Amino acid sequence: KNEVEQSPQNLTAQEGEFITINCSYSVGISALHWLQQHPGGGIVSLFMLSSGKKKHGRLIATINIQEKHSSLHITASHPRDSAVYICAAFYFGNEKLTFGTGTRLTIIP
Amino acid sequence: EAGVTQFPSHSVIEKGQTVTLRCDPISGHDNLYWYRRVMGKEIKFLLHFVKESKQDESGMPNNRFLAERTGGTYSTLKVQPAELEDSGVYFCASSQGGVPQETQYFGPGTRLLVL
Repeated sequence: KNEVEQSPQNLTAQEGEFITINCSYSVGISALHWLQQHPGGGIVSLFMLSSGKKKHGRLIATINIQEKHSSLHITASHPRDSAVYICAAFYFGNEKLTFGTGTRLTIIP
Repeated sequence: EAGVTQFPSHSVIEKGQTVTLRCDPISGHDNLYWYRRVMGKEIKFLLHFVKESKQDESGMPNNRFLAERTGGTYSTLKVQPAELEDSGVYFCASSQGGVPQETQYFGPGTRLLVL
């Protein structure tokens, strides 16, 4: 059974703090999506990565294939970063995504 | 370029009724996916079209769900008859095709409530 697990489920932080959201998965993953969903909004793809690290603005995603773990970091967090962050994996041979349960992030001004 | 659109944005129906959800993928995208999130659970895959063909429908919960993509453009997902446990948010996503495991672009979702 393919599983993608995220932690924490909920995270509240002060504006400016460094944020880390974790995602772990079972073997056979070929790529991982990080997605964002603002309250009442649609799902937006932030990153897709299969190795190493990617950076876009204040967002950084890393993946360690051997440890079966990925992290999403937000530097200098801002209230507009408040959203649900979801990791989703592509397993080898599959075109469908397997999703984690999401992390609800709230940044307090 | 227009993104993935879904219609309706919300639907409230009674148990036993029929509902049809529509998804318009990004123009030119061959791959179209349906996903669903029920209350408190993770988003789960329903099915995948490549053009008009069903590539993978392993996530369809039962035969009350029927998906079509006639002509390989927009897709519909019909639930007939709807049950209480069908309530949730139905997402559609599309990707261009031709390359395995591409970035998928999601629509805003249809929020379905079955009473």
